[in-house]
Amino acid sequence: DAGITQSPRYKITETGRQVTLMCHQTWSHSYMFWYRQDLGHGLRLIYYSAAADITDKGEVPDGYVVSRSKTENFPLTLESATRSQTSVYFCASRALSGVNTGELFFGEGSRLTVL
Amino acid sequence: GQQLNQSPQSMFIQEGEDVSMNCTSSSIFNTWLWYKQEPGEGPVLLIALYKAGELTSNGRLTAQFGITRKDSFLNISASIPSDVGIYFCAGQLGRGSQGNLIFGKGTKLSVKP
Repeated sequence: DAGITQSPRYKITETGRQVTLMCHQTWSHSYMFWYRQDLGHGLRLIYYSAAADITDKGEVPDGYVVSRSKTENFPLTLESATRSQTSVYFCASRALSGVNTGELFFGEGSRLTVL
Repeated sequence: GQQLNQSPQSMFIQEGEDVSMNCTSSSIFNTWLWYKQEPGEGPVLLIALYKAGELTSNGRLTAQFGITRKDSFLNISASIPSDVGIYFCAGQLGRGSQGNLIFGKGTKLSVKP
């Protein structure tokens, strides 16, 4: 009954380092998403994926890389972290078809601090 | 891009009071969703609305999909301390696999016992 899990929950890193945030879901949902949440901006979409090997940019993709080699995993990589990427990151998923396809299910978040 | 205007930004109320918040947009949405986020957690879906005019309840929560499809409101009756959190509206432009969600900036609710 894991649902959607993110790791790590908390991460402190330094400017210029590479960081990868992991996301794993057990529902076999086709769609997966990465959002960042900042005060005054709400939830902003970074990248999303409609299926394995299919990814697309969201509203704020610069500085981030994603991959989706398996349906259940959707890692987010900051190739060279910057202070402006200090944020809380949420992974989410939803089903492809059916009545309730608008409904996103969120992970618990990964709080990233870039020093 | 599309934007959702969510108001109020924050509310500080007494336990037992009713709460009302809303979202408006210049765009027409096919789906409206309301989420609640508690401190240190991810947003959790409260209510989903799929038809214009639809009124749906979930316990003390009631939400409506506006007739114009450009707005939605959420009411909480007889608030209790555990209602504290940030409430987000979200709209989906497309149906089914079409269209990602657009989120409002949230309404932060504080409840005084």
